[in-house]
Amino acid sequence: NAGVTQTPKFQVLKTGQSMTLQCAQDMNHNSMYWYRQDPGMGLRLIYYSASEGTTDKGEVPNGYNVSRLNKREFSLRLESAAPSQTSVYFCASSEGRLETQYFGPGTRLLVL
Amino acid sequence: GEDVEQSLFLSVREGDSSVINCTYTDSSSTYLYWYKQEPGAGLQLLTYIFSNMDMKQDQRLTVLLNKKDKHLSLRIADTQTGDSAIYFCAETSNSGYALNFGKGTSLLVTP
Repeated sequence: NAGVTQTPKFQVLKTGQSMTLQCAQDMNHNSMYWYRQDPGMGLRLIYYSASEGTTDKGEVPNGYNVSRLNKREFSLRLESAAPSQTSVYFCASSEGRLETQYFGPGTRLLVL
Repeated sequence: GEDVEQSLFLSVREGDSSVINCTYTDSSSTYLYWYKQEPGAGLQLLTYIFSNMDMKQDQRLTVLLNKKDKHLSLRIADTQTGDSAIYFCAETSNSGYALNFGKGTSLLVTP
């Protein structure tokens, strides 16, 4: 089992460009999450999907959209990237509510 | 959101014990977690404790939970240079889905 995988590993964007970060899990988990990690800020939740077909905003959703494509995949889209979105993005999944979350290796995004 | 507080840095000598402390805010948190992040890597689940427990031991790791003071600690016995990393404390949030993370404690183990 690969666990949680994320693509790409690194990306450089210009301000205003768009991109989609991909996440997939092979653990048959119901819930999936997107976090961003900034220096000195810990991890902050962007969006989560409690189950296939549902998505909800987290702490910092502005400038992002998500799609729960199926049970395995949860993508994060930046429609018009801004330098403030330079960060490391982590996807996570869990079996369900209150269950342990398992993290992917992260996507490092630089917006110029 | 509510804050989970951790000290930012800790330096210990190889072979000594390390104790990383955390205070959390949500008395209804069901689980409390410790994650480890090595440079350039994702978060690795180290251990967790259910809120009705006081202590959990797993090889070199000991987690202590004081619910009255909302204090969580992680003790690493016989700390090795490979233990150098950032350690995050996290609690289940009010929504019951997301985790509230502390800002992380950077542990440096010196020979």
